[in-house]
Amino acid sequence: KAGVTQTPRYLIKTRGQQVTLSCSPISGHRSVSWYQQTPGQGLQFLFEYFSETQRNKGNFPGRFSGRQFSNSRSEMNVSTLELGDSALYLCASSFGPDNEQFFGPGTRLTVL
Amino acid sequence: DQQVKQNSPSLSVQEGRISILNCDYTNSMFDYFLWYKKYPAEGPTFLISISSIKDKNEDGRFTVFLNKSAKHLSLHIVPSQPGDSAVYFCAASKYGGSQGNLIFGKGTKLSVKP
Repeated sequence: KAGVTQTPRYLIKTRGQQVTLSCSPISGHRSVSWYQQTPGQGLQFLFEYFSETQRNKGNFPGRFSGRQFSNSRSEMNVSTLELGDSALYLCASSFGPDNEQFFGPGTRLTVL
Repeated sequence: DQQVKQNSPSLSVQEGRISILNCDYTNSMFDYFLWYKKYPAEGPTFLISISSIKDKNEDGRFTVFLNKSAKHLSLHIVPSQPGDSAVYFCAASKYGGSQGNLIFGKGTKLSVKP
């Protein structure tokens, strides 16, 4: 069974640009969550989606948005990139919100 | 305000000995706690969890202890092996086991020396 896949794995952008990251969950999983990992803050929750609906949202500015499609694939978008957005963005999927999460390898975003 | 704290950024242990990783939390609404392990260039992988109605959960070499009155949990690895070298994250949920909205600590890097 294929794991959670995230594309792209690495990305370099400049300040002010926008970026879209993609996450394909494990087949059959309907719940997807996104996290941001930085050296200073550790892992911080961004959003949680289940059946195309956002269930929870973390404490991030409105520049961070996400969505989930009918096939459970999810995307997150960051607009007007700032240097501080440089981080590893991790996606996790689970069968449902109360089930064990499986993390993808992450997308390493560097903002110059 | 950090709700889940791992105060030791790193820990070094000799192979075969016990590794004890600690985690403190501030929010009394947390009712489910998890430990994840992370290798470089990989996503975190689930290790073990504990519900607030228990004070101990064991899985092979891994045991998690929960002290609700102290708002403290710990992960014991016995015996430690070099393959256990990784970053360990403590996480908490206040949604009765819902894992889609976890609050993580900043992690503790464990090094197990042969």
